[in-house]
Amino acid sequence: NAGVTQTPKFRVLKTGQSMTLLCAQDMNHEYMYWYRQDPGMGLRLIHYSVGEGTTAKGEVPDGYNVSRLKKQNFLLGLESAAPSQTSVYFCASSYLGPQHFGDGTRLSIL
Amino acid sequence: GESVGLHLPTLSVQEGDNSIINCAYSNSASDYFIWYKQESGKGPQFIIDIRSNMDKRQGQRVTVLLNKTVKHLSLQIAATQPGDSAVYFCAEISGTGNQFYFGTGTSLTVIP
Repeated sequence: NAGVTQTPKFRVLKTGQSMTLLCAQDMNHEYMYWYRQDPGMGLRLIHYSVGEGTTAKGEVPDGYNVSRLKKQNFLLGLESAAPSQTSVYFCASSYLGPQHFGDGTRLSIL
Repeated sequence: GESVGLHLPTLSVQEGDNSIINCAYSNSASDYFIWYKQESGKGPQFIIDIRSNMDKRQGQRVTVLLNKTVKHLSLQIAATQPGDSAVYFCAEISGTGNQFYFGTGTSLTVIP
């Protein structure tokens, strides 16, 4: 079982560049989430979705956009990358139970 | 916002001993709690969960205890093994039921 798959696994960007992180889940979950994880701060929710075509802001949404055009996919976009967005990004999915996580995307902004 | 915290950031135990990892939460309305394990370079992995109508739940070598009176959650790992070395998070869910709040984690090191 693939579960939650994130691509890419690593990426280095220059300040001002844009990119999209892809998350795919094969568990037919309604809910999907994007988090960032920074040292000493735990997981912080960026955006989430409670179903296809819907998105909502989390705790730290500024500088990010998301789209959920298909139930199994949740995309996270950085329009103009900033060094403060250097982090590890995790996608998760769930429905009426625990969240299942991907293995993360390690993103560095120079 | 919610507050989910851990009492100790690091814990070292001898192989074969039992481990106890603690977590405090602040929202008395929270009704679902989860423990996750995160190994280096990987995403959090579900270990065990418990709902607020229970005080204790057991899994394979793990037990979660919930004390709603003092808003405290603990994870007990029996006969700790080197493969248990990881960071452990607690998480709570409350409100509309689709947002989780995570603690910063406790790093468990098992000494062979």
